[in-house]
Amino acid sequence: KNEVEQSPQNLTAQEGEFITINCSYSVGISALHWLQQHPGGGIVSLFMLSSGKKKHGRLIATINIQEKHSSLHITASHPRDSAVYICAVRSGGDSNYQLIWGAGTKLIIKP
Amino acid sequence: NAGVMQNPRHLVRRRGQEARLRCSPMKGHSHVYWYRQLPEEGLKFMVYLQKENIIDESGMPKERFSAEFPKEGPSILRIQQVVRGDSAAYFCASSPAHPTNEKLFFGSGTQLSVL
Repeated sequence: KNEVEQSPQNLTAQEGEFITINCSYSVGISALHWLQQHPGGGIVSLFMLSSGKKKHGRLIATINIQEKHSSLHITASHPRDSAVYICAVRSGGDSNYQLIWGAGTKLIIKP
Repeated sequence: NAGVMQNPRHLVRRRGQEARLRCSPMKGHSHVYWYRQLPEEGLKFMVYLQKENIIDESGMPKERFSAEFPKEGPSILRIQQVVRGDSAAYFCASSPAHPTNEKLFFGSGTQLSVL
């Protein structure tokens, strides 16, 4: 079993829909990252969370430390949101500079 | 303020040749990480460097691969005698300080194709 699991693996939705991508992890963490990778390959860091909730534009990220679970929400989705969304956790151990990566969720938003 | 710069963007090598991938971190960042992404897979940690020091190379193959981050100039990931299995996207990321809770900034990656 992977230490970081994302669901769903693939998600196709219509423009305007509310999107939720989930991330569960099994290790103790000091922080959780959500990143976006566009078809061209570039990776952008969206959020870094250690507790609670963060919002940036139409993106909202939440984390529940007790349940070891985080969600990324996209409101009023748009075709330009189509990308792979990746969850990565920084463990709380000695090697806490390493990120443990989820496999990614491929999101396609149709116009 | 330029972001993390990687070059080349695409690199084609024949089996047995050497590949050199360069990464210039963001201004003021002294921590560099290299990741490899195989087709249809997630990113895998390779090596973590600070200026002139390799902190953790546990994700890097013991043979043919090496990395450096000199006092002056970019970080270099070097792959000697490339094989087809080295074909992948190689990403570099940087952070400003001890990265316990720092955001990472990524370069656009180098796509290495081995013929």
